[in-house]
Amino acid sequence: QKEVEQNSGPLSVPEGAIASLNCTYSDRGSQSFFWYRQYSGKSPELIMFIYSNGDKEDGRFTAQLNKASQYVSLLIRDSQPSDSATYLCAVSIGGYQKVTFGIGTKLQVIP
Amino acid sequence: DTGVSQNPRHKITKRGQNVTFRCDPISEHNRLYWYRQTLGQGPEFLTYFQNEAQLEKSRLLSDRFSAERPKGSFSTLEIQRTEQGDSAMYLCASILEQAAYGYTFGSGTRLTVV
Repeated sequence: QKEVEQNSGPLSVPEGAIASLNCTYSDRGSQSFFWYRQYSGKSPELIMFIYSNGDKEDGRFTAQLNKASQYVSLLIRDSQPSDSATYLCAVSIGGYQKVTFGIGTKLQVIP
Repeated sequence: DTGVSQNPRHKITKRGQNVTFRCDPISEHNRLYWYRQTLGQGPEFLTYFQNEAQLEKSRLLSDRFSAERPKGSFSTLEIQRTEQGDSAMYLCASILEQAAYGYTFGSGTRLTVV
């Protein structure tokens, strides 16, 4: 079982819709959870982080964490073509801040 | 210094040659990480430094790989006797030890071994 699992996609959504990206993790000791956006040929860019169960909102982005189910999700409201990218889910276990990444989900927003 | 800087951006080398990459972290960040990313995969952890001390190395980091961070400032990653399987994007990230947020990545160095 991979430590961080994501569906590689592509996930296609029409412009203006809500994109829902999901991630599961295997280590119950995981403490910190991140979503990175990566455009083709570029390096990952941090867009959200969450530590506590529940929802965290930042603009059009909402991160959701359910530690009991070992599940993290990212919702993107009013999706734009510029949101088309690969979204990497990442998990950190403890004090060393070492982060384990999933393979990423490719999102395509169709105009 | 507004971000993590990596050089070179691209490197093409012949199999068997040695290559060295450099990472300059954000100046106040005392932790520095190296990751490798191949096409269609997420970044994979290679090694990390706290100040000048290398505290963890992945099993991915074979004997041909070595990393240093002299004086706790910039870091170098050297690959000796490169193989085609070393072709990847090499990413550097830095963060403050006490930080609660995620890494800041550099632009990466894309290595192509021919």
